Order: sequence, then C-alpha cells, then structure tokens
Amino acid sequence: GQQVMQIPQYQHVQEGEDFTTYCNSSTTLSNIQWYKQRPGGHPVFLIQLVKSGEVKKQKRLTFQFGEAKKNSSLHITATQTTDVGTYFCAGSLVRFGAGTRLTVKP
Amino acid sequence: DTGVSQDPRHKITKRGQNVTFRCDPISEHNRLYWYRQTLGQGPEFLTYFQNEAQLEKSRLLSDRFSAERPKGSFSTLEIQRTEQGDSAMYLCASSQPGQPYGYTFGSGTRLTVV
Repeated sequence: GQQVMQIPQYQHVQEGEDFTTYCNSSTTLSNIQWYKQRPGGHPVFLIQLVKSGEVKKQKRLTFQFGEAKKNSSLHITATQTTDVGTYFCAGSLVRFGAGTRLTVKP
Repeated sequence: DTGVSQDPRHKITKRGQNVTFRCDPISEHNRLYWYRQTLGQGPEFLTYFQNEAQLEKSRLLSDRFSAERPKGSFSTLEIQRTEQGDSAMYLCASSQPGQPYGYTFGSGTRLTVV
C-alpha cells in the first residue's frame, strides 16, 4: 500500500483563493518530495524537504515539513488557472500518495 | 533531448500477448525506476535499479512482469501474457543520488489491453 496519505483527494477553488494539501505518514520520513502532474502529463518534481521543520517557498507555493518528519503540506496562495493539476507527495524511495486534484474556476 | 525517453508512447495489445517497453534515462543518472499509474491514482512503485542491479521489486509485480537494465543505461519492462488489468500508464523515472532535484519522469507508455 501507499506509504503516505494525502488529503483532501479533490479541491475545487475559485481563482484567487488559497489552496492547501496535506501529506501524512505513519513512519518518520528521511525526506519528502512534492510533484505536480498536469492533466494528461507526467509528474514533475517541485521540491524536496529534508530537515525537520523545514519551510521552503517557490513564488506562491509554500512547502513545510513537520517537526517529527511525519507530515508535510503544500500551500498555494492566490491560485491561478495554471495551478490546475494533481499534487503528489512522495516519501522515501518515492512511494507516492494518492494525490490531491486541484481544479480552479476562473 | 536530455530528458527521460520512453518508447512507445502508446501500445494496444490483445489479451495474452507479450509487450515490452523501453526507457532511456538521463545519461548521468544511475538510478532508474518503473511505476504504474491508473486513472485517479498516484504512481505505483514497481521496481528500481541502481546501475544494472535491480535493488527492489514490488510485491505487486507478478511473475508476468520482468525488468532489465543490462548495461546500466536503458531499461526494458516486459509484461507476459497481458491481462486487461494491466491496462495503465507505465512511467519511468531516473535520478542521481545526492542531488536534490528529485526524480525526472518520462512521458510514459500507455498500455491498453483489449
């Protein structure tokens, strides 16, 4: 089964609203990676978090790794239609969560 | 093109036939991974190689599946006696340990078993 669990499974937002997806593991992770997959595309690497409590930003995207290294989140500020896709977290040896599918209404 | 290449992009086969897919990773990457993805699901780990050594194989991979990476460069994934449940996107990814650039995925091979 999957090593990591993601919630929510789906999220529909109005353009300009914020979006957050959460990733949880029952075991401590050595690192966590986040990927984005556009409809019809393949996963594209976004970022890797390694340190406990780490926070990284990429423009409107903020990634956090929990203090216990068992959970992580991805937050998008002021979503745009280009943010549409499925966001996956992946734990050690790149076992993927089921993903959060984001749709954005213009 | 310096990305991960997969061939073919699409494959339609009759149930019971054998199929083989090829993956050419980024040349300096010594790790290569195979995943299977069905609609609405995350990529499901199948197996991975470090150079030519197959280091891990998912229990989900039945005896009908085999993967090789004979010279530590390209890899092939073969499915024997295909079943309708094998219909999926088969993704290949490569990486170089120690580099924080994640896994680079190919565009995948979409298999349809009819």
